[in-house]
Amino acid sequence: KAGVTQTPRYLIKTRGQQVTLSCSPISGHRSVSWYQQTPGQGLQFLFEYFSETQRNKGNFPGRFSGRQFSNSRSEMNVSTLELGDSALYLCASSPGQGAEVDGYTFGSGTRLTVV
Amino acid sequence: QQQVKQSPQSLIVQKGGISIINCAYENTAFDYFPWYQQFPGKGPALLIAIRPDVSEKKEGRFTISFNKSAKQFSLHIMDSQPGDSATYFCAASGHNFNKFYFGSGTKLNVKP
Repeated sequence: KAGVTQTPRYLIKTRGQQVTLSCSPISGHRSVSWYQQTPGQGLQFLFEYFSETQRNKGNFPGRFSGRQFSNSRSEMNVSTLELGDSALYLCASSPGQGAEVDGYTFGSGTRLTVV
Repeated sequence: QQQVKQSPQSLIVQKGGISIINCAYENTAFDYFPWYQQFPGKGPALLIAIRPDVSEKKEGRFTISFNKSAKQFSLHIMDSQPGDSATYFCAASGHNFNKFYFGSGTKLNVKP
């Protein structure tokens, strides 16, 4: 079956702009989580959506937001981009119920560069 | 505060050797501990995972050892191969499984 699809793969944006990243989870998966990966901070949790509701949130400023659609696809948005937002943004999907957590699967990520 | 601490940051092992990566956690509410493998240009992929009711889990050449009292767990890669060269992350989550805390990663280089 198809894996987690993230688009676009690469993005270059200017400081102050906003950006929207997209994630299509594995078919049947209802939970989508977003992570920011940087060399200095590693993998940091942004937020998790389940059945169109934000179920958990990390410690990121309000410039980072997300949403999930009825087909479980998710988008994350970063407004007023800063140079420090340059990172690999990873999306992970899972069935969403605890006993099936072994199905937590990451996409290949979107590499965002802010100049 | 870093919830999961991982060491070493980098590791060089000869082909056929044993690679050992260690992680420690503080939150006793964690009850799921996965290891992920990441190759350049790819997202992390689940390698093996353990729950705290067992002390060891083995899958092929990969073994997790878990010490609940010490709040530590480790990944052992037996007979390490050049194809194992990647970055490895340990992680932990609570019973709700909807938020994971990751270690800082270990870059493994297996020399032929």
